Amino acid sequence: GENVEQHPSTLSVQEGDSAVIKCTYSDSASNYFPWYKQELGKRPQLIIDIRSNVGEKKDQRIAVTLNKTAKHFSLHITETQPEDSAVYFCAAKRDTGFQKLVFGTGTRLLVSP
Amino acid sequence: NAGVTQTPKFQVLKTGQSMTLQCAQDMNHNSMYWYRQDPGMGLRLIYYSASEGTTDKGEVPNGYNVSRLNKREFSLRLESAAPSQTSVYFCASLRTGQYNEQFFGPGTRLTVL
Repeated sequence: GENVEQHPSTLSVQEGDSAVIKCTYSDSASNYFPWYKQELGKRPQLIIDIRSNVGEKKDQRIAVTLNKTAKHFSLHITETQPEDSAVYFCAAKRDTGFQKLVFGTGTRLLVSP
Repeated sequence: NAGVTQTPKFQVLKTGQSMTLQCAQDMNHNSMYWYRQDPGMGLRLIYYSASEGTTDKGEVPNGYNVSRLNKREFSLRLESAAPSQTSVYFCASLRTGQYNEQFFGPGTRLTVL
């Protein structure tokens, strides 16, 4: 089955810096890759996703890139702000039929003012 | 729409006690999931239901049972709680189609003494 590895487990940056979180997946048939943000004490919420027919997707200060050959995808946050502090989870699944989302173990991002 | 709702929000049990966590969604989604979240372990799938009338084991099903009561409701039961089941439990449902997003409930924080 699918296995998703996520690095780093913790990431500390200064406000205004960029942050990059990386994930690798094992199932070459996976073609849907979402990222979830979980603020302290809250539920995970989808912030951006990408499908395998696209190499990059942007939404304001966040972007996701996908390298299908290497089987890895990354979340990029530019101009970080304190409110970006949260735990971020990557996930992967096949987009056809019924398949389960497989999550990475999460990255705790701390943005210091 | 209320989205995905869970009850209770908090619960303390003694070892050996039983309880049922309730989950409901009003988005007419076919698939529903139960996860547990432990520090450093990410989101681990306990059970899922691809559609009304079906349930399947996830990654960590031991000690749990589920019931898909109808399309809206998916409950998780602990028959004989153990301290190892102390965790935060999230229910989720999946929107499929063009936008493939998993919606999470607010979570239940369970402590087993």
